[in-house]
Amino acid sequence: QKEVEQNSGPLSVPEGAIASLNCTYSDRGSQSFFWYRQYSGKSPELIMSIYSNGDKEDGRFTAQLNKASQYVSLLIRDSQPSDSATYLCAVNVDSNYQLIWGAGTKLIIKP
Amino acid sequence: GAVVSQHPSWVICKSGTSVKIECRSLDFQATTMFWYRQFPKQSLMLMATSNEGSKATYEQGVEKDKFLINHASLTLSTLTVTSAHPEDSSFYICSARDRQGSGLGGYTFGSGTRLTVV
Repeated sequence: QKEVEQNSGPLSVPEGAIASLNCTYSDRGSQSFFWYRQYSGKSPELIMSIYSNGDKEDGRFTAQLNKASQYVSLLIRDSQPSDSATYLCAVNVDSNYQLIWGAGTKLIIKP
Repeated sequence: GAVVSQHPSWVICKSGTSVKIECRSLDFQATTMFWYRQFPKQSLMLMATSNEGSKATYEQGVEKDKFLINHASLTLSTLTVTSAHPEDSSFYICSARDRQGSGLGGYTFGSGTRLTVV
């Protein structure tokens, strides 16, 4: 069974520090990887997508992909209280474009 | 960017009635629509996948006769919860993939519908 795993947290990080979120996946054929942010009561919002090994940076966010080790991570630099949310990792594994979702990591940024 | 408009944002209905949720892609053609359900403090649970002009594919354990999905056009998909019961109370979210798969990931989410059945 195809799985995506995340630590449920909560992960508590002081304001201004780097928050590091991790995700592992089981299907070696996975091709596309996504990080979504979800505030309570809201729908998920796409933060980053990554398709090839290495790092991808966008502002304060950096996604890292290591296909050999089957993990993808998200780094948030200069964490702000507004970054407090649940972060969902999603992986696309098939041609029907269906996403397999992790359970999410709750991130708390303490002022 | 791509926008999916989902309505209503919240609805309260009586047990035994039906509720229709609409998702419209405003500036792109949604070839594939995913319907999710999310219970409090849990992750997204895929209910079904629909492609324009064809029948939806339901995930195991999801009753197709209870959760009717229609994807009659490239810009509109609907989910109807029939004979709703309190256990159907949840947050329902649609997600569309556009024809080109453009944007960061090619998937755009609606804002969600909070359904409460009393």
